[in-house]
Amino acid sequence: NAGVTQTPKFRILKIGQSMTLQCAQDMNHNYMYWYRQDPGMGLKLIYYSVGAGITDKGEVPNGYNVSRSTTEDFPLRLELAAPSQTSVYFCASTKGGREVIQYFGAGTRLSVL
Amino acid sequence: AQSVTQLDSQVPVFEEAPVELRCNYSSSVSVYLFWYVQYPNQGLQLLLKYLSGSTLVKGINGFEAEFNKSQTSFHLRKPSVHISDTAEYFCAVSGKGGSEKLVFGKGTKLTVNP
Repeated sequence: NAGVTQTPKFRILKIGQSMTLQCAQDMNHNYMYWYRQDPGMGLKLIYYSVGAGITDKGEVPNGYNVSRSTTEDFPLRLELAAPSQTSVYFCASTKGGREVIQYFGAGTRLSVL
Repeated sequence: AQSVTQLDSQVPVFEEAPVELRCNYSSSVSVYLFWYVQYPNQGLQLLLKYLSGSTLVKGINGFEAEFNKSQTSFHLRKPSVHISDTAEYFCAVSGKGGSEKLVFGKGTKLTVNP
């Protein structure tokens, strides 16, 4: 019963490098989300998807890109890493409709130096 | 659009004491309300939710919350805390229908001391 799986758990990037944070869910959920968590700031929505092929911006999308080619996967791409992207990233999913609880992955801790 | 205010960033209490973590929200539409808990270096876990019906909702680990529409509040309570309740607690709101996007408060760090 994997739920929402995020990889990697930790990563250190140099300024200007690129990387993809992976997120996969095995619950056949339609909706998927990416959040970032900064100390004392709660969680901010970066991007979300309501189904395969459909994505939309959240509150803090600048510097990130996403794609949703399958129901299961929702990768988050950082093209040119900046120190301001040092954060903990969480992926979440929910079925939608009458099922509104979001289930979270364990997070990816990213440092950009 | 919705917003959430958690009035206390840190709450220290002694073991077996009662605790209340305060949450107020703002929204122009009907909402769903949630409390999530985050233990150190872990993801978020749902404590409880209010969708409709009874305004007093019970969750896991002995927590409960009361939805007060007139006060736009959803405060979290526990009558007697344990050391293991030490964690960060997040209040969140979403509008009904649509993309179910969650808006989170900034969190309250609960520290239970022996």
